Amino acid sequence: DTEVTQTPKHLVMGMTNKKSLKCEQHMGHRAMYWYKQKAKKPPELMFVYSYEKLSINESVPSRFSPECPNSSLLNLHLHALQPEDSALYLCASTQVQGQGVEKLFFGSGTQLSVL
Amino acid sequence: AQSVTQPDIHITVSEGASLELRCNYSYGATPYLFWYVQSPGQGLQLLLKYFSGDTLVQGIKGFEAEFKRSQSSFNLRKPSVHWSDAAEYFCAVGGYGNKLVFGAGTILRVKS
Repeated sequence: DTEVTQTPKHLVMGMTNKKSLKCEQHMGHRAMYWYKQKAKKPPELMFVYSYEKLSINESVPSRFSPECPNSSLLNLHLHALQPEDSALYLCASTQVQGQGVEKLFFGSGTQLSVL
Repeated sequence: AQSVTQPDIHITVSEGASLELRCNYSYGATPYLFWYVQSPGQGLQLLLKYFSGDTLVQGIKGFEAEFKRSQSSFNLRKPSVHWSDAAEYFCAVGGYGNKLVFGAGTILRVKS
C-alpha cells in the first residue's frame, strides 16, 4: 500500500461548524504533514508531525488544530473557520531519515469551502 | 532560510516540442531538490528528486532535471512534450527539520 488517503474529498462548512479532516497511511512513515493550498498558489506548510509529536507549526491560527493519534493517522480539526480558509488541504507522509526531507507521498487533498 | 524561485508563471509549448522549466533555489547547505506535478484539484505527484551523486536525474514520464550548484538551479526538461503533460509544475527544496518549501509553480499549456 503506497497511498496517502484523505477524507473527505470535498467539504462545505459554515463558519460556526466544527469538522475534521482525516489522513491515513500504512507505509510505516513516521513524518506526516498538513499543507494548505489556495487556488493558483503553491502549497504552504502548516504542520509537521515526527514520530507522532508536533515538530513544526508554521504559526497557524488556533482555529486549525492538528492531532496525530497514532503513526498511521493524522487529523486536522476545524472550528470557527473564515471564508478565506477555503482551500485544498493536502496531507503528506515520508520516512524520516537523517535531518532531511525524503520523498513525500501526497494525498489527493480535501477541497474545503467555508461559507 | 530555504526558498525557491520559479521565474515563469506560464509556459506554452507545442506538442512534440522540447520543454525546460526553470527553478532556482536558496539554501545554505546541500539541498534536497524535487519536482512535483499537479493537475487541477488533485494532489501532488513526484516527478523526480535530487539528493546527491549524479547531477542529472531521471524521473517518471520522460522528465529529467539537472542540478547545477554554481547556478543554484535545478531545471526540469523533457525532449518531447505530450498534450497530457499540461499541468502545474512545482519545484521544491527540502532541508533540516523535514521542511519542504515550494516555488510558486509554472503552469504548462500544450498546444496541438
